[in-house]
Amino acid sequence: AQSVTQLGSHVSVSEGALVLLRCNYSSSVPPYLFWYVQYPNQGLQLLLKYTTGATLVKGINGFEAEFKKSETSFHLTKPSAHMSDAAEYFCAVSAGGSNYKLTFGKGTLLTVNP
Amino acid sequence: DAGVIQSPRHEVTEMGQEVTLRCKPISGHDYLFWYRQTMMRGLELLIYFNNNVPIDDSGMPEDRFSAKMPNASFSTLKIQPSEPRDSAVYFCASSLSDNGYTFGSGTRLTVV
Repeated sequence: AQSVTQLGSHVSVSEGALVLLRCNYSSSVPPYLFWYVQYPNQGLQLLLKYTTGATLVKGINGFEAEFKKSETSFHLTKPSAHMSDAAEYFCAVSAGGSNYKLTFGKGTLLTVNP
Repeated sequence: DAGVIQSPRHEVTEMGQEVTLRCKPISGHDYLFWYRQTMMRGLELLIYFNNNVPIDDSGMPEDRFSAKMPNASFSTLKIQPSEPRDSAVYFCASSLSDNGYTFGSGTRLTVV
């Protein structure tokens, strides 16, 4: 079984500051890992994903995440926050292979202050 | 492509009434998922289909919930009878193998 823990339900940063959203996972098999973003009253949008290969994954809107097997982590970062980044962010894991069932974390609400 | 289309966007119904939520996945996607989102429980997978066949319905909370996918371009989630605790945002998502999900905009259900 897979599970995801997102540390911090709410993160607040200043515009231009580094964004760091933390995600740790548990999986009995090599995981596939995903980050999604949800803007108010909208569905979730895929930011980036890790399946195999390079452990540093780049996504849309300047976000990236690094898969660290030894730490069972997949933290999301962005060097400089924009006001438009304010949203809720979800980390998710699947067992990979032919199993496409995603298990989501509880989400982290990102606030960007001017 | 118009993306995953869900209808209605908002539904308000009285307790005990039947509710039907609809979803049109992206053409060519072979997986379809129904999720429920609440403040208390976050995102919960209710059921998913592969090539129109239900694969895992272990997340369906009770027999009051049922889902069908009669063809590759349409799925329904039905609640009968509805209860106030069913109030949530229901999302449909589709995917092509492991390329990540595309979510619809959701249906906000309020049962009074």
